Amino acid sequence: DAGVIQSPRHEVTEMGQEVTLRCKPISGHNSLFWYRQTMMRGLELLIYFNNNVPIDDSGMPEDRFSAKMPNASFSTLKIQPSEPRDSAVYFCASSPIAGVGSYEQYFGPGTRLTVT
Amino acid sequence: AQKITQTQPGMFVQEKEAVTLDCTYDTSDQSYGLFWYKQPSSGEMIFLIYQGSYDEQNATEGRYSLNFQKARKSANLVISASQLGDSAMYFCAMRDSPGGLTFGKGTHLIIQP
Repeated sequence: DAGVIQSPRHEVTEMGQEVTLRCKPISGHNSLFWYRQTMMRGLELLIYFNNNVPIDDSGMPEDRFSAKMPNASFSTLKIQPSEPRDSAVYFCASSPIAGVGSYEQYFGPGTRLTVT
Repeated sequence: AQKITQTQPGMFVQEKEAVTLDCTYDTSDQSYGLFWYKQPSSGEMIFLIYQGSYDEQNATEGRYSLNFQKARKSANLVISASQLGDSAMYFCAMRDSPGGLTFGKGTHLIIQP
């Protein structure tokens, strides 16, 4: 079975441009998570969905960031307009359920975003 | 206050030796889960091991074991017989409420031949 799929793997864009990151979770998983990894702040949860519904977006840094999950097999994270400080690796992860328990989160390969 | 603290930014270990990576956590919840992930230089996040707060036995997965000391709120990862391929970043993480994981800053482990 394919793991979590993310695209693009690398994105270089200029400040002010719109960026859209894409994620396909593992089939059958009900929960989807977006994380951001930077040297300064480490790995941070941005938002998570349960059954396609956004549950907690308290980690989304600003209104420039938005995320959607139109169906169980697809999610997007959009940054508009992008800024150099948004440069990071963005991970998507999925799990069977979001409850407290041994529900391992399976991570995608990440998208390395560079904003110049 | 940090929820997950990893006090070792970097470690050098001789091949075939055992390694202990430290992790302490902070939560007031009784039900929580602790996770360790490995991130090699290629960047992917690889799940290693899980320990639940109510588990009485320490978790083990092959060469990985978790030294869980609940009263001290520590969840150290032990790697036995280290190999060159173990060189990577290692992250401790916790989930104490439904949702995402809270990660520590990580430990950069380098295994030397």
